[in-house]
Amino acid sequence: AQKITQTQPGMFVQEKEAVTLDCTYDTSDPSYGLFWYKQPSSGEMIFLIYQGSYDQQNATEGRYSLNFQKARKSANLVISASQLGDSAMYFCAMREGSTGGFKTIFGAGTRLFVKA
Amino acid sequence: EAQVTQNPRYLITVTGKKLTVTCSQNMNHEYMSWYRQDPGLGLRQIYYSMNVEVTDKGDVPEGYKVSRKEKRNFPLILESPSPNQTSLYFCASSPNTPTSPLHFGNGTRLTVT
Repeated sequence: AQKITQTQPGMFVQEKEAVTLDCTYDTSDPSYGLFWYKQPSSGEMIFLIYQGSYDQQNATEGRYSLNFQKARKSANLVISASQLGDSAMYFCAMREGSTGGFKTIFGAGTRLFVKA
Repeated sequence: EAQVTQNPRYLITVTGKKLTVTCSQNMNHEYMSWYRQDPGLGLRQIYYSMNVEVTDKGDVPEGYKVSRKEKRNFPLILESPSPNQTSLYFCASSPNTPTSPLHFGNGTRLTVT
């Protein structure tokens, strides 16, 4: 069954340092997409980065990069040069392609605190 | 501006009083979905729709109804709300592909007393 696991309920990082948020997934579908979303304290959900199951290279978007290790079924988010505005909840999500419904499932989330 | 509009943002109601949360998108997306967010559980899918007149259950559909009469609208109906439906609700839309991220509404915080 499809599943997303985020094992870090909370993380602290010093401003300007890099931080890695862990995400592992489980699926039998060969075609899937992996996503990271940010939820600041205001509550909205913001899409950050996408990685496709057939992509050969790790995705990058500005200070965000996705460390995709397909054999290990992991899709960790790396935030470089952390800023105070990065303090938020972060959700890893997976969307399957071959099964019906293009369902997106989410992990429980990691709350990131950036210290000045 | 491309957006998903949910209303209301906040709602307090009593057990058993029917309510509807509206959701509308202006991006011509085929796919629309409702999620509820609870602490420690992430977002769980309630219902989804892949196109007009096509709806299906997600992981937690009990106590909810939806309809998709028009492409842009996907209302969530609670016929007889109960306190365990107190939650933060999100509507989302996207094209029908696994490579597309979801576009979310701003959320509806529902309290059922």
